[in-house]
Amino acid sequence: NAGVTQTPKFRVLKTGQSMTLLCAQDMNHEYMYWYRQDPGMGLRLIHYSVGEGTTAKGEVPDGYNVSRLKKQNFLLGLESAAPSQTSVYFCASSYGGYEQFFGPGTRLTVL
Amino acid sequence: SQQGEEDPQALSIQEGENATMNCSYKTSINNLQWYRQNSGRGLVHLILIRSNEREKHSGRLRVTLDTSKKSSSLLITASRAADTASYFCATDGLSNTGKLIFGQGTTLQVKP
Repeated sequence: NAGVTQTPKFRVLKTGQSMTLLCAQDMNHEYMYWYRQDPGMGLRLIHYSVGEGTTAKGEVPDGYNVSRLKKQNFLLGLESAAPSQTSVYFCASSYGGYEQFFGPGTRLTVL
Repeated sequence: SQQGEEDPQALSIQEGENATMNCSYKTSINNLQWYRQNSGRGLVHLILIRSNEREKHSGRLRVTLDTSKKSSSLLITASRAADTASYFCATDGLSNTGKLIFGQGTTLQVKP
C-alpha cells in the first residue's frame, strides 16, 4: 500500500497564478484533511472532509478551495496565489477520526 | 489560534538519556495524540491517549494526561540518535470529525 501520496512534491508559483494539489489515499479512509505548516510552527487545518462529496472549513480556509469527488482523493486549490501562501502543505487521512496518516508534503513557494 | 502549547521549544540531550516534552491545551478533549516529524517529512503518529486515561505506554514512550490541568507529557526513555525529530501534541477539542489542533512542537536533538 502506498498510504497517502501527494503531488507535486515541489512547486514555485508567481503571485496570481493558480494550482491544484492532489492528495490520494489507498486505505479506504473516510476522513481527509489539508494542513499547512509554516517555519517553527505546528500544523494548521485548512479544510477537511468527512466523506465523499463533503467538505468543511478548518482554521485557515481563506484563499483555498477543496473538492472530494472520489473517496480516495482530496484536492486543494489555490485560485490566485499570494506570497502568504508560501508554505509546506500536508494531507492526512484517518479512519473514524482518530490516528491520522500523513503524506510527505508539498513545498510551495509563491513569488 | 492553536490550542496546544509545548515546552520546551527545543531540547538537546545525549544518547541514552531520557527526554521529556510537555504539552498544555485550552479546551476539553476526547483524546490527545503525539506525532513525530523527521526533518523534511510528514508526521507520524506515535500514541493516542483518551481523556479517561492517565498514562499510556508504547515501547520506549510513556505519555501522561492530566485533564484537570489540561496538560500532557511525553517521555522518551533511553533516547537514540534516531529519535532526533520534532514532536507535536494534537488535541481534538471534542470534535467528532477528527479535526486536530496541533501545538507548535518540541525539537529534540539526541547527540551520539
